[in-house]
Parts: sequence; C-alpha cells; structure tokens
Amino acid sequence: GAVVSQHPSWVICKSGTSVKIECRSLDFQATTMFWYRQFPKQSLMLMATSNEGSKATYEQGVEKDKFLINHASLTLSTLTVTSAHPEDSSFYICSARGGGGPLNEQFFGPGTRLTVL
Amino acid sequence: GQQLNQSPQSMFIQEGEDVSMNCTSSSIFNTWLWYKQDPGEGPVLLIALYKAGELTSNGRLTAQFGITRKDSFLNISASIPSDVGIYFCAGRQTDSWGKLQFGAGTQVVVTP
Repeated sequence: GAVVSQHPSWVICKSGTSVKIECRSLDFQATTMFWYRQFPKQSLMLMATSNEGSKATYEQGVEKDKFLINHASLTLSTLTVTSAHPEDSSFYICSARGGGGPLNEQFFGPGTRLTVL
Repeated sequence: GQQLNQSPQSMFIQEGEDVSMNCTSSSIFNTWLWYKQDPGEGPVLLIALYKAGELTSNGRLTAQFGITRKDSFLNISASIPSDVGIYFCAGRQTDSWGKLQFGAGTQVVVTP
C-alpha cells in the first residue's frame, strides 16, 4: 500500500518551453500532496503544499507563477514548470499524505529528472 | 526551510557492522520519521515515531524518539550491501500542516 507514481520519470526540454509533471497516489486518497526539489548531494527542499480542490501554498522564495500546481482530485496533482530555463534543471519529487492511520505520513514518488537545455 | 542537524554526513563501513546516525534540533517535534533514498529514486519511509521515548524496529533497523522530543537516532544492525544509500531524518511539528523538516542526510557505503 501507499504507492505514489510520477510521470514522466525524466524529461529534457528546450529553454522557454513548459513542462508538466504528474503525481498520482495509486492505492489511497491523498488529502495533501507536496512538491519538492532536490539538487545533487543535497536534502529535499519543499516547494509547495497542496490540498485537493484548493490553491497550493508555496514556500518562501518559490515563484508561484513559474511553478504551477494543480491538485484536481484526491489522487492526482500536477506541477507545471513554465518557461523553463537551465537553472530549473533538477530532480523534482512529489509526496502524498493520506487522511489517517498508517497513511498519515508522506509517501514519496520516484521523482522526475528535468533537464533544460 | 530550517533543517535538522543530522550526523554523520557519511559513513564507510564493512559488511556486518552496525551503523548509527542521529538527528537533533533546537525545536520540539511530535513526530520523527526516517527515510532511505537510493540514487535516482524517491525516499522510502522506514520508521515512524510518535511518542517521546518510543523505540521502534523494522527488521534490522531500530529508531528511537528522544525523551526531550528534540532528537532521534537510527541504528542499522549487521549491515549488508543493500543498505547502501542516503538516510534522511524528518520531523514534524504540531500545526505544521503536515510539513516535514528534513536533515541533510547520511550517506552510507557498505564494503564487502
């Protein structure tokens, strides 16, 4: 149980284009989803928190117009990197948290490697 | 965001040895979690701790929630090659909207 998937697992795009990353909770309903960014040999940096049906809450310093988050259902959240630039290249990881019991923790997806040329 | 103080940063050990790592903070947490991350993958939850003093095991892994609620440790006994990876501690405070604060990670390398 508590399986989270991400798609795509990796993507290469040209500078100036937009990229959408999907995060799905496969066997549970996620009341909250989180988006992280991770640079090589570093810890996870929280970008935003989203609850189903409401606007995402962004961490300080994260541009909400650049990193668009949509949490349309209890099993799907998407992160769109708009007008991507090389400095946006990173490993993006989502996590999903269920409503209670053993699902009350954050379960992570496998990550998406974004490379912007 | 604020990071927890996790140590050591890396460990090079021989197969069969025990491994210990810990996490400390100046703040009180009501939940401590330990995750393992393999290269190119997302973190996997190993152990969750909810009460001060709690000691929980998961196979060869044992973790404890410190009495002061400001620290936690993880022990791996009789290490094997597949224990290689980065181990992260994470803490959650009350009324944090479920957000976690992460340690910087401990890189574990196991040699035969």
